Amino acid sequence: GQNIDQPTEMTATEGAIVQINCTYQTSGFNGLFWYQQHAGEAPTFLSYNVLDGLEEKGRFSSFLSRSKGYSYLLLKELQMKDSASYLCAVLDSNYQLIWGAGTKLIIKP
Amino acid sequence: GAVVSQHPSWVICKSGTSVKIECRSLDFQATTMFWYRQFPKQSLMLMATSNEGSKATYEQGVEKDKFLINHASLTLSTLTVTSAHPEDSSFYICSAASEEGNSYEQYFGPGTRLTVT
Repeated sequence: GQNIDQPTEMTATEGAIVQINCTYQTSGFNGLFWYQQHAGEAPTFLSYNVLDGLEEKGRFSSFLSRSKGYSYLLLKELQMKDSASYLCAVLDSNYQLIWGAGTKLIIKP
Repeated sequence: GAVVSQHPSWVICKSGTSVKIECRSLDFQATTMFWYRQFPKQSLMLMATSNEGSKATYEQGVEKDKFLINHASLTLSTLTVTSAHPEDSSFYICSAASEEGNSYEQYFGPGTRLTVT
């Protein structure tokens, strides 16, 4: 079956760095997405990785290793507004998005 | 980034009535549109995938006669919840995808909160 694992909840301090991991087992792979979702809102796109390596976009970076079925989202200089759920999703061979359950990130002052 | 709109943003309806939700891609043509449902504190659940001009593909367990999807054009898809019941109360989110060459982009609408009384 298809499966995406990410931690349920993480806590970090304002100004610090946090890494949210995601491992996946899917039928085929056409890319991996990270989304941010604040409570009661739709997800917003953060990053898309289809090749191995690190993609940096401002305070957020995303890494992919296809051979290991592994990705992480790195958030630097954490701000209180970064408190949200972070969803990892993989595009499978049928171009269907397989979603992880999301990681709730709590930022403390 | 591209913009996807949904209308209405929230709706309250009585049990037994039907509700239509519109999803529009405002500044790009979407080859595929997706409809998701999200219950509180749960991840997104894909309901169906639709391509312009063809019938939607529904996920297992989603009643196609209850959740009618019409993908009329490359910028508009509608979801109609027919004979709504309180258990249909949820957050419905659409997304629109555009694929060109090796680029694949998917953008989400703001969601529609449906409450059935």
